[in-house]
Amino acid sequence: DAMVIQNPRYQVTQFGKPVTLSCSQTLNHNVMYWYQQKSSQAPKLLFHYYDKDFNNEADTPDNFQSRRPNTSFCFLDIRSPGLGDAAMYLCATSRGQGVGNTEAFFGQGTRLTVV
Amino acid sequence: AQKITQTQPGMFVQEKEAVTLDCTYDTSDPSYGLFWYKQPSSGEMIFLIYQGSYDQQNATEGRYSLNFQKARKSANLVISASQLGDSAMYFCAMRDRPQGGSEKLVFGKGTKLTVNP
Repeated sequence: DAMVIQNPRYQVTQFGKPVTLSCSQTLNHNVMYWYQQKSSQAPKLLFHYYDKDFNNEADTPDNFQSRRPNTSFCFLDIRSPGLGDAAMYLCATSRGQGVGNTEAFFGQGTRLTVV
Repeated sequence: AQKITQTQPGMFVQEKEAVTLDCTYDTSDPSYGLFWYKQPSSGEMIFLIYQGSYDQQNATEGRYSLNFQKARKSANLVISASQLGDSAMYFCAMRDRPQGGSEKLVFGKGTKLTVNP
């Protein structure tokens, strides 16, 4: 059973048209992460939530925003997608109660294409 | 400063042989966790193995083992008896708590492993 679900799996959006990617989890984890992964590169952390606390990475463009209305859901909003934003977007969760825990769980990702 | 370093962009190994993928890390947090993930061409991120900074023994999971050398800040992944299905990207990741911040999980650049028949 999927524990971290990302919708949609594939998203095509127009240049400059706002787009929202969604992530849901059934694990009741405290932490939710959003990563951007471009072809043949490492996942790059954009931001993460620890419960309701939002933590933005210093180099994440303002074009990227996030919302976490409740424990289960987290959204990634791209306000004005550019061609350079085409990538795989990965959502992950972890318990976040100390680093003695085990792995972060990943969704299957959303592959974003900008046309 | 880069926190996770994987110096091998690509590695090749013969089927049934063992291979070691290197990972070094940097953190000032005494409590941290180290992970290895496998990412096949399909894109999914598959958890392989975890090592906590306070764990006394090296982690093992089936054919995967983690050679944890804390003083050297290294956490190398050893895959024994390689299989063709092991061909994929392998990422080392660390979860720690930066000073003044909340814990987060960051990745190295990855190593592309190719298993030859």
